[in-house]
Amino acid sequence: SAVISQKPSRDICQRGTSLTIQCQVDSQVTMMFWYRQQPGQSLTLIATANQGSEATYESGFVIDKFPISRPNLTFSTLTVSNMSPEDSSIYLCSVSSGANVLTFGAGSRLTVL
Amino acid sequence: AQKVTQAQTEISVVEKEDVTLDCVYETRDTTYYLFWYKQPPSGELVFLIRRNSFDEQNEISGRYSWNFQKSTSSFNFTITASQVVDSAVYFCALSEAGGSYIPTFGRGTSLIVHP
Repeated sequence: SAVISQKPSRDICQRGTSLTIQCQVDSQVTMMFWYRQQPGQSLTLIATANQGSEATYESGFVIDKFPISRPNLTFSTLTVSNMSPEDSSIYLCSVSSGANVLTFGAGSRLTVL
Repeated sequence: AQKVTQAQTEISVVEKEDVTLDCVYETRDTTYYLFWYKQPPSGELVFLIRRNSFDEQNEISGRYSWNFQKSTSSFNFTITASQVVDSAVYFCALSEAGGSYIPTFGRGTSLIVHP
């Protein structure tokens, strides 16, 4: 299965600032998925990122708040914009490893003060 | 719409006890997949098993076993002779053919195994 490198692994940010999370995959993949995991909660899909097209956002998530880039088949970024304490979460990048199985990065733990 | 329910928020056991994690799902699709993932304290989710809707055969892998019952829409996970290293959050997930196979996750069950 694919190996995913995600960074930063954790960060503490001030309210109102933005943070960009990077996701690098060791193989070419068509779709990349960004999930959010709020403290003690399940994983919620933010958006699906396809190379060469705009990301597809799930209900409750908008591009202005979570802009995503997908410049090639091995890389994607998620930006959390104008952060508030409610954005404190783990953000996870994932790809499909075949047979509908997802492989996840180690996650980026974000704390907003 | 697909839905996954893990009613057990947290389970605490002593090492060597057997423990079963429950998962109940809802779907209107006849073609779907069920999964279990493990999230240890380090945070990275690890895939454990996938089952498709046409295969109700139970599976055993070492100390892990899974019981898939379509009649009760359940996909339960049993750890036999639990160990401290089993301490983690376990997520059950469902993906449907009609949902482009993007999985929906349950809320997770936190398993704490005490030495």
